[in-house]
Amino acid sequence: QKEVEQDPGPLSVPEGAIVSLNCTYSNSAFQYFMWYRQYSRKGPELLMYTYSSGNKEDGRFTAQVDKSSKYISLFIRDSQPSDSATYLCAMSQMTTDSWGKLQFGAGTQVVVTP
Amino acid sequence: GAVVSQHPSRVICKSGTSVKIECRSLDFQATTMFWYRQFPKQSLMLMATSNEGSKATYEQGVEKDKFLINHASLTLSTLTVTSAHPEDSSFYICSARDTRTGADTQYFGPGTRLTVL
Repeated sequence: QKEVEQDPGPLSVPEGAIVSLNCTYSNSAFQYFMWYRQYSRKGPELLMYTYSSGNKEDGRFTAQVDKSSKYISLFIRDSQPSDSATYLCAMSQMTTDSWGKLQFGAGTQVVVTP
Repeated sequence: GAVVSQHPSRVICKSGTSVKIECRSLDFQATTMFWYRQFPKQSLMLMATSNEGSKATYEQGVEKDKFLINHASLTLSTLTVTSAHPEDSSFYICSARDTRTGADTQYFGPGTRLTVL
């Protein structure tokens, strides 16, 4: 079983719809949770960073963390064709020997159709 | 946010030659940088962790003599692919660890596409 599970998609939504993405994880030691967006042939771009359980909002993006269920989500409101990309969840634990190494999900390909 | 650059963005080389890729954190100091490899339609695969002033830590299955890593300063890490072969062709991405203000996350470079003929 992978430490981080993420549906690879593709997830196709019409422009203006809400995109809902999620990841589950098995390691309760994870403390930091991130969402990255990656366009084809580009490096990942950090979208959201959360530490505690709860919601965090930034513009059209909302990140949710539920540590009790080991479940994180990313919502994109009013989706645009430019949001078409692969979205990666990532998480890490703060230990002396982990150096902040990230565990990634497989990435979900999102396609927003005009 | 923070900016991480990589150079070159694309390189084509002949089999048997060595290629050096630079990773720079432009607006913050990073004691730790990471090197990843990514194949088409796959997630990132961590190759090694680079700590400033010490030897890199390689992930299992990654040849340290083939992928030489040097983290000589708080803003620069380099990856040298030695005696490159066609199977080394891939997308290489670096990241810099950001622990400012108590956060712990990574900012990624734009990637380097290596093609070995």
